[in-house]
Amino acid sequence: GAVVSQHPSWVICKSGTSVKIECRSLDFQATTMFWYRQFPKQSLMLMATSNEGSKATYEQGVEKDKFLINHASLTLSTLTVTSAHPEDSSFYICSADRRGQPQHFGDGTRLSIL
Amino acid sequence: GDSVTQMEGPVTLSEEAFLTINCTYTATGYPSLFWYVQYPGEGLQLLLKATKADDKGSNKGFEATYRKETTSFHLEKGSVQVSDSAVYFCALSDLAGNQFYFGTGTSLTVIP
Repeated sequence: GAVVSQHPSWVICKSGTSVKIECRSLDFQATTMFWYRQFPKQSLMLMATSNEGSKATYEQGVEKDKFLINHASLTLSTLTVTSAHPEDSSFYICSADRRGQPQHFGDGTRLSIL
Repeated sequence: GDSVTQMEGPVTLSEEAFLTINCTYTATGYPSLFWYVQYPGEGLQLLLKATKADDKGSNKGFEATYRKETTSFHLEKGSVQVSDSAVYFCALSDLAGNQFYFGTGTSLTVIP
């Protein structure tokens, strides 16, 4: 069964609203989680590395004030897209590092901003 | 639904050995195929990709050919180095880019 749960799987909202996406590790503690974004017809792009109890590390070109990441516990990281606009419409996916194993991925969130 | 099946690891090779990591897929339609690499403590990095049948993706000595007839996208490298030690993920994405499907990852350790 799934070991990383990502919610919601699909969200449609109006321009200007903020959207929160959750990523949970279900049966293990993940000190590190990753957030990715996929633009249509392109590969995944790493947005940021989320570390429990500390600030996220953002990749170059990713606006940290736009994409707020909070990793408040060892099983939950959240990505909030603030004041979303149509250009933020994309597929977002998280993954969690599990010690001694390859990363586990969530099922992704399809975000559509109208 | 779409899915990716990847050879399980861990794989341990001596330096300069030949590497193959098998990947097969199930998809309706004509997906794009990817190999990603993850170094310890880091996020995924795109290693190579192929977007249509018979395309060969290549990068840093790694190659993979999109084989529609066998629904495969096996990763190969003729001579591995210690620095290639990492976890490798095979992935599939539909053309609309609305979903990504990953294999379970294969951990590779190259010993001197």
